[in-house]
Amino acid sequence: GNSVTQMEGPVTLSEEAFLTINCTYTATGYPSLFWYVQYPGEGLQLLLKATKADDKGSNKGFEATYRKETTSFHLEKGSVQVSDSAVYFCALKNAGNMLTFGGGTRLMVKP
Amino acid sequence: GAVVSQHPSRVICKSGTSVKIECRSLDFQATTMFWYRQFPKQSLMLMATSNEGSKATYEQGVEKDKFLINHASLTLSTLTVTSAHPEDSSFYICSASYKGVGEQYFGPGTRLTVT
Repeated sequence: GNSVTQMEGPVTLSEEAFLTINCTYTATGYPSLFWYVQYPGEGLQLLLKATKADDKGSNKGFEATYRKETTSFHLEKGSVQVSDSAVYFCALKNAGNMLTFGGGTRLMVKP
Repeated sequence: GAVVSQHPSRVICKSGTSVKIECRSLDFQATTMFWYRQFPKQSLMLMATSNEGSKATYEQGVEKDKFLINHASLTLSTLTVTSAHPEDSSFYICSASYKGVGEQYFGPGTRLTVT
């Protein structure tokens, strides 16, 4: 079956630090991969996505590259801000329209 | 575009009562809607998938008689938690997608507290 594994949080960084949140997946076929962000008390917002191997999704300074050889989709940002503090979910979508989520990683950015 | 709303955003109810949560797609016709449940500091767990005009498909372990889902129109799905108990307290999130796109658009969530 499908599964997504994320690094456990919380991840605590100082403002302007470099961010990496690891995500690996197990799936049959060729899934699409997503990163969602959830701010406190809110629903999920799509942050970025990639639909095939070697694609790079990017948005708001965040980026992630679909690596089929390592089955990974790590999220990176060069310089985090306090406003980036949130929970980040990696997810995949395989045949059909079902999303499988990772456990989420809480990011806390301190001024 | 592709905005999904939920109502109410927060609800407190007494044990044994029922509560209805609405999920609406505001600017598109949602052929499929999804209901998720999220416990504190945990990931989203899919509860059920509903297609307009047909019965919902529930995930294993989700009681269909307790969590009633109705997708009566292309813009509205409702989740009714019947005879709620404190263990049903959770954050419920819906999402919607439309044919030919596949991407799910998420609502802001509803926090249910059962006292």
